[in-house]
Amino acid sequence: QQQVKQSPQSLIVQKGGISIINCAYENTAFDYFPWYQQFPGKGPALLIAIRPDVSEKKEGRFTISFNKSAKQFSLHIMDSQPGDSATYFCAASTSGGSNYKLTFGKGTLLTVNP
Amino acid sequence: DTGVSQDPRHKITKRGQNVTFRCDPISEHNRLYWYRQTLGQGPEFLTYFQNEAQLEKSRLLSDRFSAERPKGSFSTLEIQRTEQGDSAMYLCASSLGSGQGTQYFGPGTRLLVL
Repeated sequence: QQQVKQSPQSLIVQKGGISIINCAYENTAFDYFPWYQQFPGKGPALLIAIRPDVSEKKEGRFTISFNKSAKQFSLHIMDSQPGDSATYFCAASTSGGSNYKLTFGKGTLLTVNP
Repeated sequence: DTGVSQDPRHKITKRGQNVTFRCDPISEHNRLYWYRQTLGQGPEFLTYFQNEAQLEKSRLLSDRFSAERPKGSFSTLEIQRTEQGDSAMYLCASSLGSGQGTQYFGPGTRLLVL
């Protein structure tokens, strides 16, 4: 059972364009939703995260939109740059208990053409 | 470099051999996680330590897998009698605090079982 579904699997955008990656979750106990960026040969690095008490969070060119009723959240990358080319993972975790383990989506390979 | 470090970065072994990986978390981080990432997939949770106590193990972690975190510092993940299906990237992450904190990932150990 895949608890976090991510789409698209791959995405190609032109430099300066907007990249949009979507995720949907099933577990209503999830209350923390981070996005990670991973370059080849590297571990994932936190990009931006949101909690369900807000509907949007923006940090620089990166914005998370969150729809609690639809159980969906998305990452928007404005003014996409070739250096943004990487694999992006959405994730979710719950603060119930003491674990905070992350459940990841399958990832989106983003290619930004110059 | 004060990030999470993992050793070795790459390991090639023959089926049936035992392997051990090491993770050094960020200093003073009390939480340590192991994840496994296969090609084209997001990381999957394997196990979690709070200080030296192993508090949760995923069903993915068969009896051939064992993890330790002596004295709540570095951690080791051992795989006994490796199988070709164990080939993956093994990621370690650490975080600080009693609540939901950012998980910082190491570069991973890529295992290939021949």
